[in-house]
Amino acid sequence: GAVVSQHPSRVICKSGTSVKIECRSLDFQATTMFWYRQFPKQSLMLMATSNEGSKATYEQGVEKDKFLINHASLTLSTLTVTSAHPEDSSFYICSANSFTQGYTFGSGTRLTVV
Amino acid sequence: DQQVKQNSPSLSVQEGRISILNCDYTNSMFDYFLWYKKYPAEGPTFLISISSIKDKNEDGRFTVFLNKSAKHLSLHIVPSQPGDSAVYFCAARSPTNKLIFGTGTLLAVQP
Repeated sequence: GAVVSQHPSRVICKSGTSVKIECRSLDFQATTMFWYRQFPKQSLMLMATSNEGSKATYEQGVEKDKFLINHASLTLSTLTVTSAHPEDSSFYICSANSFTQGYTFGSGTRLTVV
Repeated sequence: DQQVKQNSPSLSVQEGRISILNCDYTNSMFDYFLWYKKYPAEGPTFLISISSIKDKNEDGRFTVFLNKSAKHLSLHIVPSQPGDSAVYFCAARSPTNKLIFGTGTLLAVQP
């Protein structure tokens, strides 16, 4: 089946630094990639939608200058958390969408900002 | 504004019995619904889906029912197994292809 690789699986960074999370569709081309965030015992909240070669569309309340999304190719999207703070600590999940494969989720990234 | 809600945060069921997980939505424009199983610190795993033009879809032990007039769907798992213990999320697809997730239900299947 379709596989989405998300790296790193967990990262600890110091407050004020930036962290990049990669999401790669391994055996299919994703027309759209979605980025979600999940706080403990809560739902998956959609942060943004990205299409290859165009600017990401952010959900209301999500700071686009803080969460930079790049979708350079049909198989790779990156989320960069800039100037991270402890409140950015969360579980981030990407999802790649294609007509043939539907929605395929990555395994998630646990970000801890200290 | 939570467009997709799962009103039961948790459910406990005996092994072999039926598990029924419920989900309500508010947006009549949602056209496709999915159920996912999720463990902590992992991505969600797809279970079963249903199009808005259908009212039932079955796959092995999993059956999803959709009541469009009530904006309600449910997932039935029968027979329930201890390995089914996890958090279950329903999700609805918007006209812009976004998936909006419910609040989740923690299912515990007791041996």
